Amino acid sequence: DTEVTQTPKHLVMGMTNKKSLKCEQHMGHRAMYWYKQKAKKPPELMFVYSYEKLSINESVPSRFSPECPNSSLLNLHLHALQPEDSALYLCASSQGVGNQPQHFGDGTRLSIL
Amino acid sequence: GQQLNQSPQSMFIQEGEDVSMNCTSSSIFNTWLWYKQDPGEGPVLLIALYKAGELTSNGRLTAQFGITRKDSFLNISASIPSDVGIYFCAGLTTSGTYKYIFGTGTRLKVLA
Repeated sequence: DTEVTQTPKHLVMGMTNKKSLKCEQHMGHRAMYWYKQKAKKPPELMFVYSYEKLSINESVPSRFSPECPNSSLLNLHLHALQPEDSALYLCASSQGVGNQPQHFGDGTRLSIL
Repeated sequence: GQQLNQSPQSMFIQEGEDVSMNCTSSSIFNTWLWYKQDPGEGPVLLIALYKAGELTSNGRLTAQFGITRKDSFLNISASIPSDVGIYFCAGLTTSGTYKYIFGTGTRLKVLA
Protein backbone atom coordinates (compact mmCIF):
# COMPACT_ATOMS: atom_id res chain seq x y z
CA ASP A 1 0.00 0.00 0.00
CA THR A 2 1.25 3.44 -0.94
CA GLU A 3 1.71 6.03 1.81
CA VAL A 4 0.67 8.79 -0.56
CA THR A 5 -3.11 8.76 -1.00
CA GLN A 6 -4.82 10.29 -4.00
CA THR A 7 -8.53 10.89 -4.56
CA PRO A 8 -10.52 10.33 -6.61
CA LYS A 9 -9.06 7.30 -8.36
CA HIS A 10 -10.98 8.10 -11.54
CA LEU A 11 -12.54 11.34 -12.75
CA VAL A 12 -14.55 12.13 -15.87
CA MET A 13 -15.34 15.76 -16.52
CA GLY A 14 -16.52 18.05 -19.27
CA MET A 15 -14.45 20.89 -20.64
CA THR A 16 -16.49 23.49 -18.77
CA ASN A 17 -16.43 21.75 -15.38
CA LYS A 18 -14.38 22.68 -12.33
CA LYS A 19 -12.98 19.84 -10.25
CA SER A 20 -10.12 19.19 -7.84
CA LEU A 21 -7.66 16.36 -7.34
CA LYS A 22 -6.48 15.69 -3.81
CA CYS A 23 -3.29 14.20 -2.40
CA GLU A 24 -2.37 13.42 1.20
CA GLN A 25 0.76 12.10 2.88
CA HIS A 26 1.51 11.51 6.56
CA MET A 27 5.21 10.72 6.31
CA GLY A 28 6.27 14.18 7.51
CA HIS A 29 7.61 14.99 4.07
CA ARG A 30 8.07 18.70 3.32
CA ALA A 31 8.14 18.51 -0.47
CA MET A 32 5.21 17.49 -2.66
CA TYR A 33 4.87 17.18 -6.41
CA TRP A 34 2.34 16.86 -9.22
CA TYR A 35 3.13 14.83 -12.34
CA LYS A 36 1.21 14.13 -15.53
CA GLN A 37 1.58 10.73 -17.22
CA LYS A 38 0.21 9.91 -20.64
CA ALA A 39 -0.31 6.30 -21.69
CA LYS A 40 2.94 4.40 -22.29
CA LYS A 41 5.00 7.46 -21.42
CA PRO A 42 7.05 8.38 -18.34
CA PRO A 43 5.72 10.81 -15.72
CA GLU A 44 6.41 14.47 -16.43
CA LEU A 45 6.88 16.97 -13.61
CA MET A 46 4.30 19.76 -13.37
CA PHE A 47 4.70 21.47 -9.98
CA VAL A 48 6.98 21.31 -6.95
CA TYR A 49 6.00 22.52 -3.48
CA SER A 50 8.62 22.94 -0.78
CA TYR A 51 7.52 23.81 2.77
CA GLU A 52 4.04 24.60 1.43
CA LYS A 53 5.33 27.14 -1.08
CA LEU A 54 5.32 26.68 -4.84
CA SER A 55 8.95 26.47 -5.91
CA ILE A 56 8.72 25.10 -9.45
CA ASN A 57 6.07 25.45 -12.15
CA GLU A 58 7.18 23.64 -15.30
CA SER A 59 5.33 26.06 -17.60
CA VAL A 60 2.01 24.39 -16.89
CA PRO A 61 -1.11 26.07 -18.41
CA SER A 62 -3.11 28.17 -15.98
CA ARG A 63 -6.12 25.87 -16.29
CA PHE A 64 -4.20 23.75 -13.76
CA SER A 65 -3.96 25.48 -10.39
CA PRO A 66 -2.07 23.82 -7.53
CA GLU A 67 -2.66 24.53 -3.85
CA CYS A 68 -0.90 23.32 -0.71
CA PRO A 69 -3.15 24.03 2.31
CA ASN A 70 -0.71 22.42 4.75
CA SER A 71 2.34 20.18 4.82
CA SER A 72 0.27 17.00 4.41
CA LEU A 73 -2.12 18.05 1.66
CA LEU A 74 -1.74 18.99 -1.97
CA ASN A 75 -4.59 19.86 -4.32
CA LEU A 76 -4.77 20.37 -8.06
CA HIS A 77 -7.68 22.51 -9.18
CA LEU A 78 -8.89 21.94 -12.72
CA HIS A 79 -10.88 24.34 -14.88
CA ALA A 80 -11.68 24.49 -18.60
CA LEU A 81 -9.53 21.49 -19.43
CA GLN A 82 -8.96 20.22 -22.96
CA PRO A 83 -9.29 16.62 -24.23
CA GLU A 84 -5.47 16.41 -24.49
CA ASP A 85 -5.34 16.88 -20.71
CA SER A 86 -6.72 13.37 -20.26
CA ALA A 87 -3.98 11.46 -18.44
CA LEU A 88 -2.94 9.86 -15.16
CA TYR A 89 -2.11 12.58 -12.61
CA LEU A 90 0.38 11.43 -10.02
CA CYS A 91 1.22 13.03 -6.70
CA ALA A 92 4.55 12.38 -4.99
CA SER A 93 6.32 13.47 -1.83
CA SER A 94 9.87 13.49 -0.49
CA GLN A 95 11.59 14.53 2.72
CA GLY A 96 12.78 17.69 1.05
CA VAL A 97 13.73 19.14 -2.32
CA GLY A 98 17.23 17.75 -2.38
CA ASN A 99 18.84 14.44 -3.24
CA GLN A 100 15.89 12.58 -1.77
CA PRO A 101 13.79 10.07 -3.66
CA GLN A 102 10.14 10.76 -4.32
CA HIS A 103 7.38 8.38 -3.27
CA PHE A 104 4.30 8.23 -5.46
CA GLY A 105 0.59 7.76 -4.98
CA ASP A 106 -1.45 5.58 -7.33
CA GLY A 107 -2.74 8.56 -9.28
CA THR A 108 -6.05 9.91 -10.53
CA ARG A 109 -7.03 8.81 -14.01
CA LEU A 110 -8.64 11.87 -15.60
CA SER A 111 -10.78 11.78 -18.72
CA ILE A 112 -11.95 14.99 -20.39
CA LEU A 113 -15.05 14.69 -22.55
CA GLY B 1 10.25 17.65 -21.89
CA GLN B 2 13.64 16.00 -21.44
CA GLN B 3 13.66 12.22 -21.11
CA LEU B 4 16.40 9.76 -20.38
CA ASN B 5 17.04 6.99 -22.91
CA GLN B 6 16.25 3.55 -21.57
CA SER B 7 16.93 0.25 -23.27
CA PRO B 8 15.63 -2.14 -24.15
CA GLN B 9 12.19 -0.63 -24.76
CA SER B 10 10.56 -3.99 -24.03
CA MET B 11 11.59 -7.56 -23.49
CA PHE B 12 10.15 -11.03 -23.15
CA ILE B 13 12.09 -13.41 -20.97
CA GLN B 14 11.66 -16.89 -19.60
CA GLU B 15 10.96 -17.31 -15.90
CA GLY B 16 14.23 -17.87 -14.08
CA GLU B 17 16.32 -15.82 -16.50
CA ASP B 18 18.35 -12.78 -15.52
CA VAL B 19 17.39 -9.37 -16.93
CA SER B 20 19.51 -6.31 -17.62
CA MET B 21 18.41 -2.84 -18.58
CA ASN B 22 20.14 0.51 -18.73
CA CYS B 23 19.51 4.20 -18.77
CA THR B 24 21.67 6.87 -20.41
CA SER B 25 21.71 10.62 -20.43
CA SER B 26 23.66 13.45 -22.03
CA SER B 27 23.61 15.23 -18.65
CA ILE B 28 25.18 14.42 -15.30
CA PHE B 29 22.91 13.49 -12.40
CA ASN B 30 23.66 13.46 -8.65
CA THR B 31 21.24 10.64 -7.90
CA TRP B 32 19.86 7.77 -9.95
CA LEU B 33 16.66 5.96 -9.05
CA TRP B 34 14.82 2.92 -10.33
CA TYR B 35 11.04 2.51 -10.14
CA LYS B 36 8.57 -0.19 -11.15
CA GLN B 37 5.06 0.70 -12.26
CA ASP B 38 2.22 -1.82 -12.49
CA PRO B 39 -0.99 -1.12 -14.43
CA GLY B 40 -3.34 1.21 -12.54
CA GLU B 41 -0.73 2.09 -9.94
CA GLY B 42 1.90 4.71 -9.35
CA PRO B 43 5.64 4.09 -9.66
CA VAL B 44 7.16 2.25 -6.69
CA LEU B 45 10.74 3.04 -5.69
CA LEU B 46 13.04 0.03 -6.00
CA ILE B 47 16.57 1.37 -5.54
CA ALA B 48 18.21 4.79 -5.03
CA LEU B 49 21.89 5.42 -5.89
CA TYR B 50 23.80 8.42 -4.57
CA LYS B 51 27.47 8.03 -5.60
CA ALA B 52 29.22 7.41 -8.89
CA GLY B 53 30.26 3.76 -9.07
CA GLU B 54 27.85 2.73 -6.29
CA LEU B 55 26.41 -0.78 -6.55
CA THR B 56 23.26 -1.42 -4.50
CA SER B 57 21.06 -4.49 -4.13
CA ASN B 58 17.46 -4.96 -3.07
CA GLY B 59 16.66 -8.67 -3.02
CA ARG B 60 16.99 -9.99 -6.57
CA LEU B 61 17.55 -6.47 -7.91
CA THR B 62 20.96 -4.88 -8.30
CA ALA B 63 21.56 -1.39 -9.66
CA GLN B 64 24.71 0.58 -10.41
CA PHE B 65 25.42 4.30 -10.67
CA GLY B 66 27.68 4.74 -13.71
CA ILE B 67 31.17 6.18 -13.21
CA THR B 68 30.50 9.00 -15.68
CA ARG B 69 27.30 9.91 -13.72
CA LYS B 70 25.48 9.85 -17.06
CA ASP B 71 24.13 6.31 -16.85
CA SER B 72 22.75 3.61 -14.61
CA PHE B 73 22.05 -0.10 -14.88
CA LEU B 74 19.47 -2.42 -13.33
CA ASN B 75 19.76 -6.19 -13.15
CA ILE B 76 17.04 -8.60 -12.04
CA SER B 77 18.18 -12.11 -11.25
CA ALA B 78 16.06 -15.25 -11.55
CA SER B 79 12.97 -13.46 -12.86
CA ILE B 80 9.51 -14.50 -11.67
CA PRO B 81 6.05 -13.73 -13.12
CA SER B 82 5.42 -10.85 -10.69
CA ASP B 83 8.41 -9.01 -12.16
CA VAL B 84 6.13 -8.09 -15.07
CA GLY B 85 5.66 -4.35 -15.36
CA ILE B 86 7.31 -1.18 -16.57
CA TYR B 87 10.65 -0.21 -15.10
CA PHE B 88 11.62 3.45 -15.12
CA CYS B 89 14.94 4.98 -14.28
CA ALA B 90 15.00 8.55 -12.99
CA GLY B 91 17.83 11.03 -12.74
CA LEU B 92 17.88 13.70 -10.05
CA THR B 93 20.03 16.78 -9.89
CA THR B 94 19.83 19.87 -7.71
CA SER B 95 22.82 21.64 -9.31
CA GLY B 96 21.31 24.79 -10.73
CA THR B 97 17.72 23.94 -11.63
CA TYR B 98 16.02 21.04 -9.80
CA LYS B 99 15.49 18.17 -12.24
CA TYR B 100 13.77 14.84 -11.61
CA ILE B 101 13.58 13.25 -15.03
CA PHE B 102 12.27 9.82 -15.93
CA GLY B 103 13.56 7.43 -18.54
CA THR B 104 11.42 6.20 -21.40
CA GLY B 105 10.73 2.90 -19.59
CA THR B 106 11.43 -0.78 -20.14
CA ARG B 107 8.37 -3.02 -20.37
CA LEU B 108 9.16 -6.46 -18.98
CA LYS B 109 7.08 -9.51 -19.81
CA VAL B 110 7.91 -12.85 -18.24
CA LEU B 111 6.94 -16.13 -19.88
CA ALA B 112 6.19 -18.80 -17.30
